[in-house]
Amino acid sequence: KAGVTQTPRYLIKTRGQQVTLSCSPISGHRSVSWYQQTPGQGLQFLFEYFSETQRNKGNFPGRFSGRQFSNSRSEMNVSTLELGDSALYLCASSLALAPETQYFGPGTRLLVL
Amino acid sequence: AQSVTQLGSHVSVSEGALVLLRCNYSSSVPPYLFWYVQYPNQGLQLLLKYTSAATLVKGINGFEAEFKKSETSFHLTKPSAHMSDAAEYFCAVRRNFGNEKLTFGTGTRLTIIP
Repeated sequence: KAGVTQTPRYLIKTRGQQVTLSCSPISGHRSVSWYQQTPGQGLQFLFEYFSETQRNKGNFPGRFSGRQFSNSRSEMNVSTLELGDSALYLCASSLALAPETQYFGPGTRLLVL
Repeated sequence: AQSVTQLGSHVSVSEGALVLLRCNYSSSVPPYLFWYVQYPNQGLQLLLKYTSAATLVKGINGFEAEFKKSETSFHLTKPSAHMSDAAEYFCAVRRNFGNEKLTFGTGTRLTIIP
């Protein structure tokens, strides 16, 4: 089976812009979670989607949003980018919600200038 | 609430020596525990997981971990370190309860000394 894929792999944006990241889960997986990884804050949970519904949300401002489509693919959007949004954004998929094992994609590295 | 604590943000071992990475968890209900590895510029790869079936869990690349409820620990070990083991390792916990998220520790960077 193909693993979790994320596009694009690298992205450079400027402050104030918005960005959309995409994640395709492993075939058959219905849950997708998003994480932000930075050197200072480590791995922080953004949100989790299952069957097109957001099931859990981390402590991030409303500028961070996401959605899941009927084929389980997911997108996350960050509006009005700030310098502090520079990070590696990781997507993970699992068959279902907790406590199913999550499998991670390679991530999208976002640099905000 | 649930949390994990990884003792030691950096660990160095000689090639061929024992690798021991420490993880302690806090959970009000029986947890599911995971170890992930991250190589430079890559995502996280699952090493092994504890799901209450057996307390000693064997994973990929020769790693194993033992769940000790009395010590609330889930330390990761490998008998003989290899240069290719150099990476960052994350312990994570997820309770089998509702829509619980996966909570990560702060990570341990493992360096292998030739």
